[in-house]
Amino acid sequence: SVLTQPPSASGTPGQRVTISCSGSSSNIGNNYVCWYQYLPGMAPKLLIYNNNQRPSGVPDRFSGSKSGTSASLAISGLQSEDEADYYCAAWDDSLNGFYVFGTGTKVTVL
Amino acid sequence: EVQLVESGGGLVQPGGSLRLSCAASGFIFRTYWMSWVRQAPGKGLEWVANMKPDGSEIYYVDSVKGRFTISRDNAKNSLYLQMNSLRAEDTALYYCTRDSQGPNEYTLNYWGQGTLVTVSS
Repeated sequence: SVLTQPPSASGTPGQRVTISCSGSSSNIGNNYVCWYQYLPGMAPKLLIYNNNQRPSGVPDRFSGSKSGTSASLAISGLQSEDEADYYCAAWDDSLNGFYVFGTGTKVTVL
Repeated sequence: EVQLVESGGGLVQPGGSLRLSCAASGFIFRTYWMSWVRQAPGKGLEWVANMKPDGSEIYYVDSVKGRFTISRDNAKNSLYLQMNSLRAEDTALYYCTRDSQGPNEYTLNYWGQGTLVTVSS
């Protein structure tokens, strides 16, 4: 993957956790970023789109941001049900164009 | 309510073929970009291919170019993925997604539950 995330992150209930996503000018630098939540046994779910927008139904303790060729997802007030895999993603303009996911971050609630 | 139901997965030998289907409902299928995404066992998400509503634009990840073909039938509200020359590394759970596309923006808004493809002798 051309989008790099830390493999893991953790926190205790109520804490704030931040996940980074590093890309390049052909993807994050030129296009909006999305974040997806992948809970065990469930289909992935859109969490953040257009860098920082939440779909209806996503709690406001999830927030996204982007600066240059990097993006980040913050989870404030961590809850046990937030234990999941999180992926950033963006369209990449190189080659003929393709959609690329980050390497994924496993969030553990201690 | 948006519903995406994948089918067609199964066990296939290396070099074999399989055709996945995705039945869509709850939205005007002919107006949306659609994608296939997969997750191999123990690996992360990988986008496979997508298609414009009218079929005039199609994109693939490099690893499936020349082997996989995405198609759609707007009259049947269905998306397909024809997979040929299958390899062990194609073993994965395959998801169908309904997407949104705009200037500098691409989003996989809704996901199906997935269909499992296993390539093994």
